Amino acid sequence: DQQVKQNSPSLSVQEGRISILNCDYTNSMFDYFLWYKKYPAEGPTFLISISSIKDKNEDGRFTVFLNKSAKHLSLHIVPSQPGDSAVYFCAASGFNAGNNRKLIWGLGTSLAVNP
Amino acid sequence: GAGVSQTPSNKVTEKGKYVELRCDPISGHTALYWYRQSLGQGPEFLIYFQGTGAADDSGLPNDRFFAVRPEGSVSTLKIQRTERGDSAVYLCASSPREGSSYNEQFFGPGTRLTVL
Repeated sequence: DQQVKQNSPSLSVQEGRISILNCDYTNSMFDYFLWYKKYPAEGPTFLISISSIKDKNEDGRFTVFLNKSAKHLSLHIVPSQPGDSAVYFCAASGFNAGNNRKLIWGLGTSLAVNP
Repeated sequence: GAGVSQTPSNKVTEKGKYVELRCDPISGHTALYWYRQSLGQGPEFLIYFQGTGAADDSGLPNDRFFAVRPEGSVSTLKIQRTERGDSAVYLCASSPREGSSYNEQFFGPGTRLTVL
């Protein structure tokens, strides 16, 4: 049972345009959401996060939007650059027993930004 | 380097053998996580350490998997009697504060384990 879903396995965007990556979740106990970027043969790199008390968080070219009622979040990258080409993972966590904020991950979306 | 390091980067072993995977977290980070990423999947949680103790090992798939962090820094993931289905990239992450705080986890490059 996939609690975090990224329904688009891949996305192709022209350089300079906006990239929108989507993520849906099912567990209403999640209260913190993160986006990670992963290049081949490297570990995931933290990109941006948002807590459930907010609906938007912006960091440079990256903005994450959270719609709690729809259990949906999205990552916007604008303008997109060729170096943004990577696999993007959505992850979620909620405080649970053992003081543990283990991350629950989606399957990832492979973004290709074409020059 | 100040990041999370993992050794070896690649490990090829035969079915039935024992392997150890090592993780050096970022200095001072108290929380340490192990994840496993199979091909085409997102990382799956295995175990979480807060200091020296395993606070949550609910993600370990069976008793062939074990992990330690004896001094609250370096951690070793141990897999006994390896099976072909154990083949995956094993990722380690650390974070600077207790798990209850909002903070990101910093990942190492992973160890790619191949069981023949």
